[in-house]
Amino acid sequence: NAGVTQTPKFRVLKTGQSMTLLCAQDMNHEYMYWYRQDPGMGLRLIHYSVGEGTTAKGEVPDGYNVSRLKKQNFLLGLESAAPSQTSVYFCASTLLGVTGTKTDTQYFGPGTRLTVL
Amino acid sequence: AQSVTQLDSQVPVFEEAPVELRCNYSSSVSVYLFWYVQYPNQGLQLLLKYLSGSTLVKGINGFEAEFNKSQTSFHLRKPSVHISDTAEYFCAVKRSTGFQKLVFGTGTRLLVSP
Repeated sequence: NAGVTQTPKFRVLKTGQSMTLLCAQDMNHEYMYWYRQDPGMGLRLIHYSVGEGTTAKGEVPDGYNVSRLKKQNFLLGLESAAPSQTSVYFCASTLLGVTGTKTDTQYFGPGTRLTVL
Repeated sequence: AQSVTQLDSQVPVFEEAPVELRCNYSSSVSVYLFWYVQYPNQGLQLLLKYLSGSTLVKGINGFEAEFNKSQTSFHLRKPSVHISDTAEYFCAVKRSTGFQKLVFGTGTRLLVSP
């Protein structure tokens, strides 16, 4: 049971390049999330998914797109990278989104450190 | 909407001393509260959570937190810290009903020195 995994771990892009970050979970969780973490700003939600084939915007969605074609995978895409997207990106998942003693814990991946030059 | 304030960006403390990391939240509805820890170069992991019941919640690694509804606080405490507790700690809140996203505070870096 690997939990939540993210690839790649590190990436350097030039302005205008595109890339896709992959998040995979083997816990059969319904809900998945993409966050970005910046110094002094905590974690901010980019996009999330409540199930296979569905996605929704979080608080900072501009410049990013996502897809959830398979339940276990949640992809984050940058179509045209900008220096402002330099950040550490975390993926997380929960069993369900509604509250309950077993369902509120978000399980996080190890992160992807992205630098855009 | 919910919000979380962690006033202390950094808390230095000596090993074996007690520590308190402060968290205040704002919400017009009832909420659930969480503390997550992030060790260097790692993802976040859950320390403890308050959903209902006893306002004193015990978590992993000897940490505990107390939910105070009147003061809208959820401060994290440990009676005696170790070097290995050096990490960043995030308080988070979400509505207690329906699907709602977690809202994180900006984090408090705990620095434990010998």
